[in-house]
Amino acid sequence: ETGVTQTPRHLVMGMTNKKSLKCEQHLGHNAMYWYKQSAKKPLELMFVYSLEERVENNSVPSRFSPECPNSSHLFLHLHTLQPEDSALYLCASSQGSGSTDTQYFGPGTRLTVL
Amino acid sequence: GQQVMQIPQYQHVQEGEDFTTYCNSSTTLSNIQWYKQRPGGHPVFLIQLVKSGEVKKQKRLTFQFGEAKKNSSLHITATQTTDVGTYFCADNQAGTALIFGKGTTLSVSS
Repeated sequence: ETGVTQTPRHLVMGMTNKKSLKCEQHLGHNAMYWYKQSAKKPLELMFVYSLEERVENNSVPSRFSPECPNSSHLFLHLHTLQPEDSALYLCASSQGSGSTDTQYFGPGTRLTVL
Repeated sequence: GQQVMQIPQYQHVQEGEDFTTYCNSSTTLSNIQWYKQRPGGHPVFLIQLVKSGEVKKQKRLTFQFGEAKKNSSLHITATQTTDVGTYFCADNQAGTALIFGKGTTLSVSS
């Protein structure tokens, strides 16, 4: 247990559905991240929030919409996804967003888009 | 953009054999973090190397950072079945987030 929780753990959705992924960290960290992990690909950084401000958006399609209402919670809103978006979505947090900050990962949400 | 390459992609060993994974970059690495992801699990932080030539040990795991800070390695002595998983190196040159390698997946047969 790393202090980072994610819900749901598994999600199956159709291409026309709208769903949200939730991440919560209980570590008092100031930075939170969304990563996408597909088979045979490296972990892909999607979004970075530091002190509730988005500091990085790695050319992610607009069908993924992040929200960080406070430093403990991070959401990823999904709409009109494609089958190739099926992957493990990992949330992580760190004390700061600096170069030596260790990231603590949540268990991930396994997303399947039909 | 900056890339971190890891080799090999897969490695199978007999229990008790040693294992090494290598992380290489064409540019100077800021620092290297190593993570382990068990099958069905999520990445878990192992260690961070910051200084040129740094060597750190955790029981049977030895981590090295190259003198030129362009490569790093993780060596496991006498592997056990609990070592199974994917080992990732990651660099934070951009200053805001980690750039992960593709990982080396280790399987161990007893």
